[in-house]
Amino acid sequence: GIQVEQSPPDLILQEGANSTLRCNFSDSVNNLQWFHQNPWGQLINLFYIPSGTKQNGRLSATTVATERYSLLYISSSQTTDSGVYFCAVAMRNSGYSTLTFGKGTMLLVSP
Amino acid sequence: NAGVTQTPKFQVLKTGQSMTLQCAQDMNHNSMYWYRQDPGMGLRLIYYSASEGTTDKGEVPNGYNVSRLNKREFSLRLESAAPSQTSVYFCASYYGPAGVITQETQYFGPGTRLLVL
Repeated sequence: GIQVEQSPPDLILQEGANSTLRCNFSDSVNNLQWFHQNPWGQLINLFYIPSGTKQNGRLSATTVATERYSLLYISSSQTTDSGVYFCAVAMRNSGYSTLTFGKGTMLLVSP
Repeated sequence: NAGVTQTPKFQVLKTGQSMTLQCAQDMNHNSMYWYRQDPGMGLRLIYYSASEGTTDKGEVPNGYNVSRLNKREFSLRLESAAPSQTSVYFCASYYGPAGVITQETQYFGPGTRLLVL
């Protein structure tokens, strides 16, 4: 099956710093999503981005499908950004959007 | 809209006991999913249902059964719980009609934390 690798596995930032999280995937995809899991365990969808660039406030994401990677940018980080960030993909021949998740990047933003 | 709801939130079982995890969505979504999350492993798909009346195995189906009771509800059953099934279980739903990828995303419930002793 498709492989999804996220880096770095852990990241510690001071409030106000910027960061870039990376997701590499091993095959062509027709669905790529970024999720944030907060410290209480809730999974929140951040972006649906199989290709191109999107922005939502301090967060933005870029997927270069031809090179099989996606980047999540967090600017001016806040303590509420802490948690685990997951990248999840579905292969091009998957008709039912069954997602394969990476292992996540654990982010801690300190005051 | 409540979105995706799961019951119970927490459960402790003894090895060999059975239980059913319940999931319901009120978004009129066609597809529903069960995942498990283990430390350092991300989420792994157990079973999914692309439409009412159909279910399919995911990556880690052994030890589980599912029922798509109607369009709203998708349950996960552990017939004889084992310590290896200690995990956090997430249910998710997705609008996509069978075979069609849309701009929609998967929406997740709050999770059920299961401990098997």
